[in-house]
Amino acid sequence: EIVMTQSPATLSVSPGERATLSCRASQSVSSNLAWYQQKPGQAPRLLIYGASTRATGIPARFSGSGSGTEFTLTISSLQSEDFAVYYCQQYINWPPYTFGQGTKLEIK
Amino acid sequence: EVQLVESGGGLVQPGGSLRLSCAASGFNFRSYEMNWVRQAPGKGLEWVSYISSSGSTIYYADSVKGRFTISRDNAKNSLYLQMNSLRAEDTAVYYCARGGYCSGGSCHYLTPFDPWGQGTLVTVSS
Repeated sequence: EIVMTQSPATLSVSPGERATLSCRASQSVSSNLAWYQQKPGQAPRLLIYGASTRATGIPARFSGSGSGTEFTLTISSLQSEDFAVYYCQQYINWPPYTFGQGTKLEIK
Repeated sequence: EVQLVESGGGLVQPGGSLRLSCAASGFNFRSYEMNWVRQAPGKGLEWVSYISSSGSTIYYADSVKGRFTISRDNAKNSLYLQMNSLRAEDTAVYYCARGGYCSGGSCHYLTPFDPWGQGTLVTVSS
């Protein structure tokens, strides 16, 4: 089973600033890595797949990078609606599909 | 519009059973793999089960193996999760999520989950 580890657990950033979230896989997942955004009381929403491709309708301020075992989600200029919990997921070596434990992005 | 709508959640006693449903619309359901994912209160996401587009291949997380059964009815555009021998630790919001697909003779298995349903809450408590 591939273990996904996200850091930090909580990130405090001011609106308008840049946020950088990290995800590490216990073994290579190539580029088979997705990022999801989840707001309170809502289902997760796909943001990024293939490590760096934005899903339909996702603003350009969201970008993903990395391959192998190290991945980054960057939000270039935080908007109020971006404060949420973010999860990474690998989808190359399954079952089981595995998710990171999440990073909570909060307003500083 | 592609949509997934779960139903069937509720309060059940330990050892009890519950059947969740997920109604799909806006896409060719029979061509897509489907999954159940759960989220315990205040916790992260845990994949629960997978079913192939035809229903011939099924996988479960170790935590539910032998107790949960995934199934689908492609004629009704519906996905199901039969949950037996429920435990307190099964308390969670259960989401259905669309996975990979087959089209034109080729299949795409390395795909993320998109979209997700709104979830249905299952509470196991006496």
